[in-house]
Parts: sequence; C-alpha cells; structure tokens
Amino acid sequence: DTAVSQTPKYLVTQMGNDKSIKCEQNLGHDTMYWYKQDSKKFLKIMFSYNNKELIINETVPNRFSPKSPDKAHLNLHINSLELGDSAVYFCASSLFGSGSYEQYFGPGTRLTVT
Amino acid sequence: GENVEQHPSTLSVQEGDSAVIKCTYSDSASNYFPWYKQELGKRPQLIIDIRSNVGEKKDQRIAVTLNKTAKHFSLHITETQPEDSAVYFCAEGQEGGSEKLVFGKGTKLTVNP
Repeated sequence: DTAVSQTPKYLVTQMGNDKSIKCEQNLGHDTMYWYKQDSKKFLKIMFSYNNKELIINETVPNRFSPKSPDKAHLNLHINSLELGDSAVYFCASSLFGSGSYEQYFGPGTRLTVT
Repeated sequence: GENVEQHPSTLSVQEGDSAVIKCTYSDSASNYFPWYKQELGKRPQLIIDIRSNVGEKKDQRIAVTLNKTAKHFSLHITETQPEDSAVYFCAEGQEGGSEKLVFGKGTKLTVNP
C-alpha cells in the first residue's frame, strides 16, 4: 500500500564508492523528484523527471546521475562518494498539471559516507 | 531569483498557545505556497497550501495567510498540541511552470505540555 517507496532506507559506505538509491511510486503520478536534506534539515531539490524526461536539473555535481526507466521509477546513482554527500535523500512524486501540486515524499534514504 | 526566507528557525510554545511561522519570497511570478510538516525521522507531508488568488485559507486549527503585495505568507496554528511538534517548511512554486518547489529552511516547533 506504500505510495512512494525508497530502497535502501539506510546506506553506509566509504568514500570513493559508487552507490544507487531506488524509488518507486504507485500513485499513477507522472513526475518524480529527488531532494537532498542535509544535517541542518535544509530541503533542496536536485532533479525532476516528467514522463521519463528530465525537467529540473539543479546545480548538482555530475557524480550524481538520475535515471527514470518509466514514470513510476526514478533512481539515483552516485559515483565517487564524498563525505559531503552524507545526507537524507528523499524521492517525491506528483501529477503534473493536475491542479493539485501536492508532492508525496518517500520515507527517505539516510546515506552516511565514512 | 528564487529564494524563500523563513522565520523563526526555532519556536517553543506552551500547549494551548498559538504558533506563527512567517515566510518571505522574492519571485513575483510565484503563485502557489504550500506548507509541509516533517515529524522527527519521518517524511515531509503537505498540511495546507494557498494559491495567489486568495488571501487566507483555514483547515481546523491551521490557517495560512498570503500578502502578495508584500510577498509574504504565514502559517498559524491555534490551540497547539504536543503532536504539533515537528519541523515546518514553507515553499513557493509556479502553477503552469515546472512545478518546482523552493523550500524555506524550516522552523522547528516544540510544543511543551
């Protein structure tokens, strides 16, 4: 019944490694987002896809590469992890042009880089 | 440019008191202003939103006011309860645009019993 799900919930890894986070939504939405929430709780958008097309690409290092195989999935791959990448990463989804604009967030993935 | 200032960063009130959180935005094209609540360790969830064609919206103990001329909007919580304790985020967006939301830095509200 989970609307927006993310895996894994926790991810602990060493500097220099490559890791992926997966997101899936079963709400029938066509737009998905990745946000980064740092230790100060600041919530900042990274990417957004609408129907598998990238529509928002904020100033994010190119070590971060999103991929949307279909409109229900949005994955985030991070290369060469750095200490500063430690944060909680939230996936979200919405229905573009529906007039609702509500974004439904996933439970978050807490990434710790050591 | 896109920027949302949110104040205060922390707010502590006694149970039953009111709490007010204020946000200021800079983009005059913004016309959608949601508020999200994030409980400790949980995901952000929408609690109320307002569009630029109205000045106030209320939902039980929660209300939001918007002053487009001054470019600020506020969240009002009356008769606060301990379960209102959370981090609250304001945001701005543009209907008909990319549907990108720019969030404020959050206000940690603590309601003391």
